[in-house]
Amino acid sequence: GQQLNQSPQSMFIQEGEDVSMNCTSSSIFNTWLWYKQDPGEGPVLLIALYKAGELTSNGRLTAQFGITRKDSFLNISASIPSDVGIYFCAGRFNAGNNRKLIWGLGTSLAVNP
Amino acid sequence: KAGVTQTPRYLIKTRGQQVTLSCSPISGHRSVSWYQQTPGQGLQFLFEYFSETQRNKGNFPGRFSGRQFSNSRSEMNVSTLELGDSALYLCASSGSAGGMETQYFGPGTRLLVL
Repeated sequence: GQQLNQSPQSMFIQEGEDVSMNCTSSSIFNTWLWYKQDPGEGPVLLIALYKAGELTSNGRLTAQFGITRKDSFLNISASIPSDVGIYFCAGRFNAGNNRKLIWGLGTSLAVNP
Repeated sequence: KAGVTQTPRYLIKTRGQQVTLSCSPISGHRSVSWYQQTPGQGLQFLFEYFSETQRNKGNFPGRFSGRQFSNSRSEMNVSTLELGDSALYLCASSGSAGGMETQYFGPGTRLLVL
């Protein structure tokens, strides 16, 4: 099925470092969502973006909806050990009954204390 | 408000058997989506139900089916299980946040087919 190009695939960083990951699509979207998944659990919504150019923060997390509507990035500042997990982006273009979310393959984040 | 609940959390079946998984959405949510998650494949969309009707469908064989009840609870069924059906099956319910829809996931059902 259709998927987003999410990068990097994995990251290993030191505690306190900043992290950046992004997703790109060949199609335009009008919704971008960022999720985090811990082992053995379902993804948890971090940030939702609904307008091109929108920049939204949630604590140490900041995400932006690209102006072209084909990309989005997520930044994590001053990483801590509990940031470990897999981060997924998802996008949607709502058109009639076409409401499926398209998913990236995830960015696996490891934080060295 | 209680979150999305899925039962059972873990399940072991053998090839050829069938399985039914259950999902209860967040109260007030009318849309339920199902996903299959396997390592390296990310989240693969199975289907979405809204008001007891299937509204969207992914590219899975007919062995995968679902339904939604009048109270928005949903079930998915996999018949004639294959080894490749081993995966984490996630259910997500959708509601409106500020007029826009976002999906909230349950903890998943981990299915192992032997």
